[in-house]
Amino acid sequence: DTGVSQDPRHKITKRGQNVTFRCDPISEHNRLYWYRQTLGQGPEFLTYFQNEAQLEKSRLLSDRFSAERPKGSFSTLEIQRTEQGDSAMYLCASSLAGGEKLFFGSGTQLSVL
Amino acid sequence: SQQGEEDPQALSIQEGENATMNCSYKTSINNLQWYRQNSGRGLVHLILIRSNEREKHSGRLRVTLDTSKKSSSLLITASRAADTASYFCATDARQAGTALIFGKGTTLSVSS
Repeated sequence: DTGVSQDPRHKITKRGQNVTFRCDPISEHNRLYWYRQTLGQGPEFLTYFQNEAQLEKSRLLSDRFSAERPKGSFSTLEIQRTEQGDSAMYLCASSLAGGEKLFFGSGTQLSVL
Repeated sequence: SQQGEEDPQALSIQEGENATMNCSYKTSINNLQWYRQNSGRGLVHLILIRSNEREKHSGRLRVTLDTSKKSSSLLITASRAADTASYFCATDARQAGTALIFGKGTTLSVSS
């Protein structure tokens, strides 16, 4: 069990650039979640997948954000035309369908200058 | 939006003392979970309590749930410096498929 891995760990970008993050869940987990966390706050739900289907999206997820999980394994989260307000830790988690406990990766820290 | 609210926001204690954190939530739930986060890292699941349970123990952790008050507490007994972290409660709404919603967390500092 290698756990949930996220890449990169840190990303610094300039405002207006596009960024893409990758998440590899625990191999037998068919649910995958994306959360965003800013300093001093709890994780805010963005979206989740069961296998390759995106089942729920938060209203926080503007049209600049898109997530995919093409083969039901790894997932990517893309942010287009980044803004300074996008600076945050982006956390990925996975679970078994019907499982209640989430397993988190270490996150990708995004800084938009 | 965040469903749960933890109290206090920050807590500082000495090693060996007990730490109690509280969580209040707004809507009916299936279960409530507590997670821990070390600085700059992901969250780690600690314990889950179901809506029909009132108390649960795991090692030095004790969780209570009062669904009539929509609140939960996490007690860490005999705290250690290694318990220094942020602690979050997370709830799921009763609709199927709704992801966990986290509170803002309590930051615990345990000094030796």
